[in-house]
Amino acid sequence: NAGVTQTPKFRVLKTGQSMTLLCAQDMNHEYMYWYRQDPGMGLRLIHYSVGEGTTAKGEVPDGYNVSRLKKQNFLLGLESAAPSQTSVYFCASSWGTSREAFFGQGTRLTVV
Amino acid sequence: EDQVTQSPEALRLQEGESSSLNCSYTVSGLRGLFWYRQDPGKGPEFLFTLYSAGEEKEKERLKATLTKKESFLHITAPKPEDSATYLCAVQPPDSNYQLIWGAGTKLIIKP
Repeated sequence: NAGVTQTPKFRVLKTGQSMTLLCAQDMNHEYMYWYRQDPGMGLRLIHYSVGEGTTAKGEVPDGYNVSRLKKQNFLLGLESAAPSQTSVYFCASSWGTSREAFFGQGTRLTVV
Repeated sequence: EDQVTQSPEALRLQEGESSSLNCSYTVSGLRGLFWYRQDPGKGPEFLFTLYSAGEEKEKERLKATLTKKESFLHITAPKPEDSATYLCAVQPPDSNYQLIWGAGTKLIIKP
């Protein structure tokens, strides 16, 4: 039972480069989320999706785009990476908004 | 502005030494309060959801309680494998999808 799988696990980007983070879940969850985690701060929601083909902005959406073409996949894109986007990114999925969320292992991204 | 504050930032205990972690919040009428455990290099793992003041949940050596302004995570006779960062999150009444997360308490249990 894989749960939530994120790829890649680590990545170093140069300022201005673009990349896509992939999240896949095998639990048939409707809701999927992208968070970033920075030292000394709580998790912050970047974007979320309440079902296939839908996406919405969270707390810190600027500089990121997302797509959910298939129910099991949620992609996070960085169009032009900036050093301020250096962070650990987590994908999560859940049955509903007040239900437990299952998190992936995270992607550690460094922008130099 | 709604806030979630966890204290202490870090806590070192001897094995078997019981203690409590605190999560205080300024949100009124929350829809739920969540506790997660996070091991180094991994994603958070769900522990409990509390919905109303007076509610308690238990799992092994952990017990979570909720009042109108704070939640406690009580750890009884901890073991080294309980070492982790414990995260608290609150769902505000006007939010269907967004949680407000605390920064976490790093718990270290020494053998």
